[in-house]
Parts: sequence; C-alpha cells; structure tokens
Amino acid sequence: QQQVKQSPQSLIVQKGGIPIINCAYENTAFDYFPWYQQFPGKGPALLIAIRPDVSEKKEGRFTISFNKSAKQFSLHIMDSQPGDSATYFCAASTAPFSGTYKYIFGTGTRLKVLA
Amino acid sequence: GAGVSQSPSNKVTEKGKDVELRCDPISGHTALYWYRQSLGQGLEFLIYFQGNSAPDKSGLPSDRFSAERTGGSVSTLTIQRTQQEDSAVYLCASSRKLTSTGYTEAFFGQGTRLTVV
Repeated sequence: QQQVKQSPQSLIVQKGGIPIINCAYENTAFDYFPWYQQFPGKGPALLIAIRPDVSEKKEGRFTISFNKSAKQFSLHIMDSQPGDSATYFCAASTAPFSGTYKYIFGTGTRLKVLA
Repeated sequence: GAGVSQSPSNKVTEKGKDVELRCDPISGHTALYWYRQSLGQGLEFLIYFQGNSAPDKSGLPSDRFSAERTGGSVSTLTIQRTQQEDSAVYLCASSRKLTSTGYTEAFFGQGTRLTVV
C-alpha cells in the first residue's frame, strides 16, 4: 500500500513530442505528489508538485494531471527538448505532523529526447 | 551552506569493512532523509529524521545499517560489515520545518557512490 507504481521504465521521443509518464498509488493518506528530475551524476531536483485538491497544474512546459478517484497522476512535457533527457521520478507523501513524512518514490522513467 | 552536501562523493571499500557516509543538510532544515539508489533502480527510502529523532527507520535493510543525527544538523549513515549488495548511490535530502499551511520541497545532495569490492 506504500508503493507508487511508475511507467514506463524508459521512453524515447522526438524533439517537440509530448512524453507522458504515469504513476499510480494505493494509499489514500498520500496528500502531496511531487515529480523529481535527475540528471546523471546529480541528485534529484524538484520539478513540479500537486496536491489532490486540484486536477491539473502547469509550470512552463510541464503539466501534472491528477485523478483522485483513480489514484493516478501523470507528468506531461510539452514541446520536449533534448535538454529534458533525464530520469523522472514521481513521489507521494502523507500529510505533515501525521507521524511520518517520508517521500515514497516511483521506480523512475528514463527519458531520451532525440534532436 | 548553499545546498545539501554529502561526503565522500565516492567510496570504494572491501567487503566486510565498515563505512560512514556523511550528510550536511541545508542550514535550518529540520527534516533529513536518507535514500538508496541502486543501478537503474528507483529511490529506496532508508530513514527519516525530524530534528535528532528518527520517527521512521522502517527502510533500513538490516541491522548492519544505522544512522544518527546530532545537533539537528549533520547526519551519518553507517554500514557495518559491508556486502557487495550494499553497492549503490546513497542520497541524502533535507527540508525545512513544515508549516500548517503546506509542504516544503526536499532538496537532495549529489549522493555518495559506494562500491563494495
């Protein structure tokens, strides 16, 4: 119940394409859903995050779509660029002050955007 | 400091030796997390600190793994009698004190790449 399932494991798109990465969870106590971007040799960095009270959030070319009833959320990258090539992790966390505040991460999606 | 600092960046050790990995969180951050990332794998939760206490140690793989945090700042992850399966990148992250109105971002260090030979 603590897992976050992420797919696909890897993804190759042409420049300008719209890669979509999907995540699903079971624990209804999860209340915060961030996406992290990781370049080789670097630690993950926060890209965008959403709370379950909204169904969509956009920041620049990155959009999170959230479906609370299905317990699923996804990341869309508009007009993808070669510089977006990285590994993307979805994550989920329970509410603060609940006794635990760890982030549960998906297994990651390795994205390659071809020039 | 400007970001989360981890040391050493790389560590090669012989099987059976003990290792200590260090994490310096961002100044003022009260929450600190350790994760493990094996080659091609996701981020595996190990332990979480709030201040100096560890409310959640559920991710530690075995009793060979331990972690402590002193002064609400620096944390050390210790692996005793290392095994080859311990080879991975160990990532530390920190976040500031939470408020009742929202969440704060977890900032990651660059990790320590541990290789057990």
